[in-house]
Amino acid sequence: DAGVIQSPRHEVTEMGQEVTLRCKPISGHDYLFWYRQTMMRGLELLIYFNNNVPIDDSGMPEDRFSAKMPNASFSTLKIQPSEPRDSAVYFCASSLIGGPMGTQYFGPGTRLTVL
Amino acid sequence: TQLLEQSPQFLSIQEGENLTVYCNSSSVFSSLQWYRQEPGEGPVLLVTVVTGGEVKKLKRLTFQFGDARKDSSLHITAAQPGDTGLYLCAGGGDYKLSFGAGTTVTVRA
Repeated sequence: DAGVIQSPRHEVTEMGQEVTLRCKPISGHDYLFWYRQTMMRGLELLIYFNNNVPIDDSGMPEDRFSAKMPNASFSTLKIQPSEPRDSAVYFCASSLIGGPMGTQYFGPGTRLTVL
Repeated sequence: TQLLEQSPQFLSIQEGENLTVYCNSSSVFSSLQWYRQEPGEGPVLLVTVVTGGEVKKLKRLTFQFGDARKDSSLHITAAQPGDTGLYLCAGGGDYKLSFGAGTTVTVRA
């Protein structure tokens, strides 16, 4: 059974370019989470969806970041325009149930480098 | 600002030794989870503790949730090289998790 799938695994781009990260959650999972991990700030929640609806986007750093979930099997995180400080590993995770007892299954991450 | 403080930040030990990693907060959490992350991969859930004072064992790993549900510890007995990784604690509240910065554990053969 496939886990959470993320693409691309690595992305190198130049400052000012648009970046789109993609995620396919585990089938049947109603919750989807986007995280960012850096050495300085650790693992931070950016946004999460329940049944394709954005519930909490308070972690999105600024208007340059946007996330969508057009259907239950696909989500995107877009950065436009990208900046060097956006360089990080971005993880997508999904869970069957929400709340503190839910198990979040993480994808392998996308390592983004903005030059 | 990290709500959860993990210590130590780095830990390097010899195979067979024991180790303990700590996770502390000034906030009360309804649950606390421990994850292990290996290089190039996402975190993988090890355990969830929900009751103050709760102790859970997973083979050589022992997890404890503080009585006040503000702190937790992870103890590994007779560590093996396969235990090497980044250990993250995460506090649960509502539908979100707040992660600590992690402890990087290296077990030398």
